[in-house]
Amino acid sequence: GQQVMQIPQYQHVQEGEDFTTYCNSSTTLSNIQWYKQRPGGHPVFLIQLVKSGEVKKQKRLTFQFGEAKKNSSLHITATQTTDVGTYFCAGMKAGNNRKLIWGLGTSLAVNP
Amino acid sequence: GAGVSQSPSNKVTEKGKDVELRCDPISGHTALYWYRQSLGQGLEFLIYFQGNSAPDKSGLPSDRFSAERTGGSVSTLTIQRTQQEDSAVYLCASSLAHGVFGYGYTFGSGTRLTVV
Repeated sequence: GQQVMQIPQYQHVQEGEDFTTYCNSSTTLSNIQWYKQRPGGHPVFLIQLVKSGEVKKQKRLTFQFGEAKKNSSLHITATQTTDVGTYFCAGMKAGNNRKLIWGLGTSLAVNP
Repeated sequence: GAGVSQSPSNKVTEKGKDVELRCDPISGHTALYWYRQSLGQGLEFLIYFQGNSAPDKSGLPSDRFSAERTGGSVSTLTIQRTQQEDSAVYLCASSLAHGVFGYGYTFGSGTRLTVV
C-alpha cells in the first residue's frame, strides 16, 4: 500500500549543528504537512506545502516540497535544545480518499 | 473551546472491561480524527468524521472498537473487552474540514490508556 517513508529514524546532534529529516512517498502527493511532537506531548502542526518545488521558512526551519511532489524535507539551522522532539511528515494523496498518510517520525536529540 | 479537549487524561482499566474516551473538538471544526500512538511509535489512524458524512472506520483494529460523534461535535471512542495490546495513547484531532488545503490538524493532549 501507499507509504510515506521518513529518514533518519533518530538523529543526535550537538547544539548549533544543522539537522535535516527527509520524507519520501511512493506516490504523488497533493500536499504534505509537518508536525512536531515534544517528549510527552502531542503533535503540533507546523506547516503545509502544496505547490511543486515549494520552499517555506519559519525562522530557523526550512521546509521543501519536491518538484515531483513525492518528497519533502525539513531543515533546521543551528539547532537549539528547544528543537528536541519528534518531527512527523504526513502526506495527502489526491482523490476522494484524502486521508493523511503519516511517516514514522524522526526523533531529534540535541546535546547542549 | 480554545483547543481540543480529551478526557480522561489517564485511564487504567482491568483486562476485559469496557472504556469510553471523550473528545471535544474546536468549535466550528467539522472534521474529527482518532489516532492511536504506542510508546515511541508513529500515529495509527483509527477513524474520522466529516460533517454529516458516514465516518471512515477503516482504521479500527477490531470490532471491539467503535466511535460516535453526536451533533457534529463531541466524539466518544469506546473499546469493549479491553486487551493489554490496547494500551496506548489515544489522540483526537480536529480540523476545519477534511482534506481542504491549508488546514492542519489540532491535536488534543491524548488519553493514556493502560490495561492491566
